[in-house]
Amino acid sequence: DAGVTQSPTHLIKTRGQQVTLRCSPKSGHDTVSWYQQALGQGPQFIFQYYEEEERQRGNFPDRFSGHQFPNYSSELNVNALLLGDSALYLCASSLNDLAKNIQYFGAGTRLSVL
Amino acid sequence: AQSVTQLDSQVPVFEEAPVELRCNYSSSVSVYLFWYVQYPNQGLQLLLKYLSGSTLVKGINGFEAEFNKSQTSFHLRKPSVHISDTAEYFCAVRVTRGMNRDDKIIFGKGTRLHILP
Repeated sequence: DAGVTQSPTHLIKTRGQQVTLRCSPKSGHDTVSWYQQALGQGPQFIFQYYEEEERQRGNFPDRFSGHQFPNYSSELNVNALLLGDSALYLCASSLNDLAKNIQYFGAGTRLSVL
Repeated sequence: AQSVTQLDSQVPVFEEAPVELRCNYSSSVSVYLFWYVQYPNQGLQLLLKYLSGSTLVKGINGFEAEFNKSQTSFHLRKPSVHISDTAEYFCAVRVTRGMNRDDKIIFGKGTRLHILP
């Protein structure tokens, strides 16, 4: 049973560029959440997708957008990259069931903006 | 607003000694509590969780945590650490507000556990 998989593992971009990160949830999970983890910090919630819609959003600008596909996989898009967007981006999947809603994390994509 | 405070940014401890990593949270609604571990250059792995029931929760790798509602704490403990426990540990709270499905996870800033030989 595959866990949460993210691609790519590492990415280098320059300021102003756009980037797309991908996430495949754990088998059986239907909800995907994205987090940004800056160096030396805890993960910060970006947004969550369920039924192909953004259900909840953290305190991130509109440059951060996402998508969820019918197979529950998800993408995170960041436009007009800034140096401060350099971080580890983590995807977490869960089941839309309050009694069983535990988030499982992927290994992350490390984004470096030069 | 909900928040999670990890009182120690770094904790050095000798191998085979006991350790406690402290976590306090603030929330006005029901919470679910978690501890995650992050090994170098890796994602987060769930150590243990408190959803309901017994306040003493046992997790993987010999770790346990105790939920204390009156003190709003969820400290992580291990009676004897090993060099392989060297990692960053994150306390997290998931707040669920029922009908509006507000169920994001809020993380603390992390505690780096250094195991000394």
